Amino acid sequence: VVTQEPSLTVSSGGTVTLTCGSSTGAVTRGLSPYWIQQKPGQAPRTLIYDTTNKHSWTPARFSGSLLGDKAALTLSGAQPEDEAAYYCMVSDSGPRVFGGGTKLTVL
Amino acid sequence: EVQMVESGGGLVQPGGSLRLSCAASGFTFSHYWMHWVRQAPGKGLEWVANANQDGSEKYYVDSVKGRFTVSRDNAKNSFYLQMDNLRGEDTAIYYCHRGGGGYWGQGTLVTVTS
Repeated sequence: VVTQEPSLTVSSGGTVTLTCGSSTGAVTRGLSPYWIQQKPGQAPRTLIYDTTNKHSWTPARFSGSLLGDKAALTLSGAQPEDEAAYYCMVSDSGPRVFGGGTKLTVL
Repeated sequence: EVQMVESGGGLVQPGGSLRLSCAASGFTFSHYWMHWVRQAPGKGLEWVANANQDGSEKYYVDSVKGRFTVSRDNAKNSFYLQMDNLRGEDTAIYYCHRGGGGYWGQGTLVTVTS
């Protein structure tokens, strides 16, 4: 089971960290964690892959890392358009597993 | 530009079948794992199935094992999901998803209802 905070709130311009844990142990680079953003009515969009890699469309204010035994997505300088659901996905040697998602609210 | 276009969704009765297709372009299809991911109404993302580059390895989430079959045709740059014995809980948007960077299609809606 992949665990994420169900909801988080951040002030506009503020910083927030979303985490992705595993009930079976540490989330490591070997699990190739992804961070996926989804806004209402839209298809998902990958922001971060393989722990830290960004796409060309990934705003610079998003970054991926490992924090302790979890993967983390840090948003520095939150913008109203960052309000969305964020999903972590990890690789389980073939199958993939999604976390339940974090609903991020930007006030 | 990486692009994936799903098709084949629709309305089907419980126990029925559908075959979803994913047409890929803009990359060397045979180099990547491909996945199907679904999202039930108002719910989160759920990984469904995948296949490795030549289709020799396939994995399924427990809830679809024995009912869904994933396949690919590298000559046609296409990825498929054969869904049999469909249930109401299979109602979802089904997305095609590429490994290695995590590109997504726009999805196709499957509705299972009597």
